[in-house]
Order: sequence, then C-alpha cells, then structure tokens
Amino acid sequence: SQTIHQWPATLVQPVGSPLSLECTVEGTSNPNLYWYRQAAGRGLQLLFYSVGIGQISSEVPQNLSASRPQDRQFILSSKKLLLSDSGFYLCAWGEDRGTSGNTIYFGEGSWLTVV
Amino acid sequence: KNQVEQSPQSLIILEGKNCTLQCNYTVSPFSNLRWYKQDTGRGPVSLTIMTFSENTKSNGRYTATLDADTKQSSLHITASQLSDSASYICVVSYGGATNKLIFGTGTLLAVQP
Repeated sequence: SQTIHQWPATLVQPVGSPLSLECTVEGTSNPNLYWYRQAAGRGLQLLFYSVGIGQISSEVPQNLSASRPQDRQFILSSKKLLLSDSGFYLCAWGEDRGTSGNTIYFGEGSWLTVV
Repeated sequence: KNQVEQSPQSLIILEGKNCTLQCNYTVSPFSNLRWYKQDTGRGPVSLTIMTFSENTKSNGRYTATLDADTKQSSLHITASQLSDSASYICVVSYGGATNKLIFGTGTLLAVQP
C-alpha cells in the first residue's frame, strides 16, 4: 500500500531564516506530487505540483520554491521566511486516471510559525 | 469563476444523531467531486469521490449525494460518533487533472456526548 510521510510536523522559525519541508511517498512510482497551504478559515491553496523529477509548476507567486530531486521526494523551501508564510502545509500525491479515479492523498501536515 | 461553497460553517450535534452537510459549486468543466474528513491538525482523508454520472456513494456511515444539474452535493452522516468531530471538506475537480481542484472552506462538525 502507498504511504506518504511529511516532516517536520511543527516548526517555529524566525523571520528571514530558511525553510525546508520534506515529503516522501512509498509504494508507488511516478506519482504527481503537490504542496498545499491551508490558512485558517480558508480552503486549501495549491502552491506547487510536479508530474516528474525536476518538473515543477507553481500556481501562485510567492516566497517559496519546490524541488523534486527524486521520483518520490518533494521538498518545499524558502531562502528567507516572511511572517505571512506561517500556516499549515500539506504534501499530497495523486495519479491522473481521467475523470473517475484521480484521488489526492494527503500527508499529516506541517505547522509552520514564523516569528 | 470556479467556486465551492459549503454550509453550514459549523455544526454541533449530539452523539447518535444524524446530520447533513451541504456543498454548492460553480465549477466548469466538472470532473468529479470528493468529500474529505480532516481531523484538527491532520491531513485530510478521502471519504468519497463521485463522477458526473453518480448520484450517491456510501462509505460506512457516510453517504454522499450529487445533483449535477443543480450543482449540489450533500454528505449525510448517520448515527454520529464522537470520532466524527472534524472538518469536512468538499473538493471539486475540473479539467480532469489532479492539479485542477477547487477546495471548499469546510464544515466544522462537533459531536457532543
């Protein structure tokens, strides 16, 4: 069965410090990978998605970047965090199966507080 | 504009009671609709997924319905349990790809003993 791991679960970082959130998927190959952010009272916002190694698409301009160095590894980074980067970050994976079968599976999330 | 609206924003029910959560969407072209359950501080977990041709789908005590004509969906929870306390999120897919998703803001359900 497939599993998704995301870490760290929580972190508190000062403004201007770097960020690295990691995500790995097991039990599948060539998955689509996603980074979402969830702000309080708002729906999940897609930040980045990747359909293969080295292929990253950004949905919104921001202070963050993503990389996919290996097939089942997805990393969310920032060189200098802003207060507005605080939030709940979710990694997810999925497979495109047309209109009927494409479900997104989420990791456990990472709480980021920028102080 | 593609949008997903959920109601109510929050709901409190007593253990053992039934409840129904609503989702209205204006998403085109419609591919499928999912309901997720998200426990506080955890990642969302998929409950059901329905395509255009499906009217209802069940997962244990959870039953989702879809009316593609009126663009409405509901999630019915039967005989609620304390563990049902969570946020329930409606997600509509457009364009057929997993990166084309519109998320509702969720309904926060609290089940009290």
